[in-house]
Amino acid sequence: ETGVTQTPRHLVMGMTNKKSLKCEQHLGHNAMYWYKQSAKKPLELMFVYSLEERVENNSVPSRFSPECPNSSHLFLHLHTLQPEDSALYLCASSLGGRELFFGEGSRLTVL
Amino acid sequence: QKEVEQNSGPLSVPEGAIASLNCTYSDRGSQSFFWYRQYSGKSPELIMSIYSNGDKEDGRFTAQLNKASQYVSLLIRDSQPSDSATYLCAVNIAGGGNKLTFGTGTQLKVEL
Repeated sequence: ETGVTQTPRHLVMGMTNKKSLKCEQHLGHNAMYWYKQSAKKPLELMFVYSLEERVENNSVPSRFSPECPNSSHLFLHLHTLQPEDSALYLCASSLGGRELFFGEGSRLTVL
Repeated sequence: QKEVEQNSGPLSVPEGAIASLNCTYSDRGSQSFFWYRQYSGKSPELIMSIYSNGDKEDGRFTAQLNKASQYVSLLIRDSQPSDSATYLCAVNIAGGGNKLTFGTGTQLKVEL
């Protein structure tokens, strides 16, 4: 256990559905991240929140919408996704931007 | 040029041998360097961090950093089948704030 919990672990959704991924960290960290991992590609940073303020948005399509209500919780709201969005979505947290600690990931399949 | 480069492998070593994994990075101002291990179907797990030139040892793992040559390596001594995984190199690019840039990873196979 890394202290970062993600739910759900697996999600299958149609292109017209709306769903959300949830992440919670119990480490007292002050930054939280969403990464996307696709086969044969490096981890792609999507969003960074530092002290609950979004400080990074790596040109992610608007069909992905992050939310960080407090320093321990992070959401990724999903709507009208495409099949190419199928991937492993990883949440991570850090203290002062040093080591990242990852959750177990949410495996998303878009039909 | 990719910011963080790794040979994708697979790198095959016999059990008990030393596995050597290498990573190069493009930004000379990078300050923080990390090695993560990722088993198939699992999330990355931090195994080493290194911030200054030289070697850092932790059990069977040794991280080596050479900022002048812009490379960081990971040595695994007495390799075990349980070390078989993909090893990801991550670098905190200068001016990158709180974000890490990852390489594509090197797949290591330790054979009996």
